[in-house]
Amino acid sequence: RKEVEQDPGPFNVPEGATVAFNCTYSNSASQSFFWYRQDCRKEPKLLMSVYSSGNEDGRFTAQLNRASQYISLLIRDSKLSDSATYLCVVNKGSTLGRLYFGRGTQLTVWP
Amino acid sequence: EPEVTQTPSHQVTQMGQEVILRCVPISNHLYFYWYRQILGQKVEFLVSFYNNEISEKSEIFDDQFSVERPDGSNFTLKIRSTKLEDSAMYFCASSAELTGAGSEAFFGQGTRLTVV
Repeated sequence: RKEVEQDPGPFNVPEGATVAFNCTYSNSASQSFFWYRQDCRKEPKLLMSVYSSGNEDGRFTAQLNRASQYISLLIRDSKLSDSATYLCVVNKGSTLGRLYFGRGTQLTVWP
Repeated sequence: EPEVTQTPSHQVTQMGQEVILRCVPISNHLYFYWYRQILGQKVEFLVSFYNNEISEKSEIFDDQFSVERPDGSNFTLKIRSTKLEDSAMYFCASSAELTGAGSEAFFGQGTRLTVV
């Protein structure tokens, strides 16, 4: 079973749309959760950490449901510059900093 | 803004040759990592390094791989005898604390390794 699974996408949305990505993780011992963004052939960059109470950063809202082992990312008022692959990333507390990546969900925002 | 730098950006090598990928982590970071991403696939952990020794390695990191921090700034990944399936983008990352402790891992821009 994969450690982290994501919606395969791709998502193609117009500017201004709201889009949501989902992710599930298999290990209930997982402790830290992140959304990274990866542009084509570039390095992953941290978009935001995900906290148990849910958190928001501008147009981005992340939610965590530990009981369901489910993470989500909501993007409101999509911009052209949001076009990228969004990676769900998990760290298990028992491992020394190792990050487990989902395969990513590709988003294209069109004008 | 401090950043992780990797060289070269692209390396082409013949099967069976040794390659060394180089990384300069952010200067005050203590934890160092190598990840790889085969084209079209997910980012996969290879190894973590702390206090001049390997902290953890994945099943991918077999005897053909080694890491070294030869001086106070560089962090290298060596592949002794490259195989076609080693072709991938290799990312170096560093963090001030363990990433599980909420510390962000910063990634370098990657080295694209092509084995022919």
